[in-house]
Amino acid sequence: DAGVIQSPRHEVTEMGQEVTLRCKPISGHNSLFWYRQTMMRGLELLIYFNNNVPIDDSGMPEDRFSAKMPNASFSTLKIQPSEPRDSAVYFCASSTSGFGGYTFGSGTRLTVV
Amino acid sequence: QQPVQSPQAVILREGEDAVINCSSSKALYSVHWYRQKHGEAPVFLMILLKGGEQKGHEKISASFNEKKQQSSLYLTASQLSYSGTYFCGTPDNNNDMRFGAGTRLTVKP
Repeated sequence: DAGVIQSPRHEVTEMGQEVTLRCKPISGHNSLFWYRQTMMRGLELLIYFNNNVPIDDSGMPEDRFSAKMPNASFSTLKIQPSEPRDSAVYFCASSTSGFGGYTFGSGTRLTVV
Repeated sequence: QQPVQSPQAVILREGEDAVINCSSSKALYSVHWYRQKHGEAPVFLMILLKGGEQKGHEKISASFNEKKQQSSLYLTASQLSYSGTYFCGTPDNNNDMRFGAGTRLTVKP
């Protein structure tokens, strides 16, 4: 089992550019979560998919953020345009429905300059 | 609404014990505990599903009191490898989880 795979590991971009983060969940996991982690705000839930359908996107900061899950093995989080305050580590996690623990990917460290 | 953790930080010597608390203002269905080492992703430790249930992982155990909407994580005879930030998480009935702010645990030789 390769675990949850995120790419890229690091991303440095200029303000105003589009950023796309990618995630491959564990095969068989039907719940997928995007989190953002900063020192100030901790781990924030951005969006949650169940069976590829967005269930709760109330944590998405604003319209500049969008997420998709076109199939069970792939999800993207897009920021356009990016701003310096978007700098953070973005984690993707997956789990089985019900009461399984979450498996986190290694994260993408995003720096917007 | 995210759960509240206490204390914010703990410093221990190897072999000492610690307790980390997690409380919520809303009814809890379950409580998760995770540990995150510096520069790494959070790692799942355990989940508690029933009131009063206790579970264990290595020498780490936890309890869950539904009525008090609280959970506690017990670290016994701490080892250097226990250092990291511990998070509790409380899923709502949609299974999406909010995490506490974390408790930074440092174990010194």
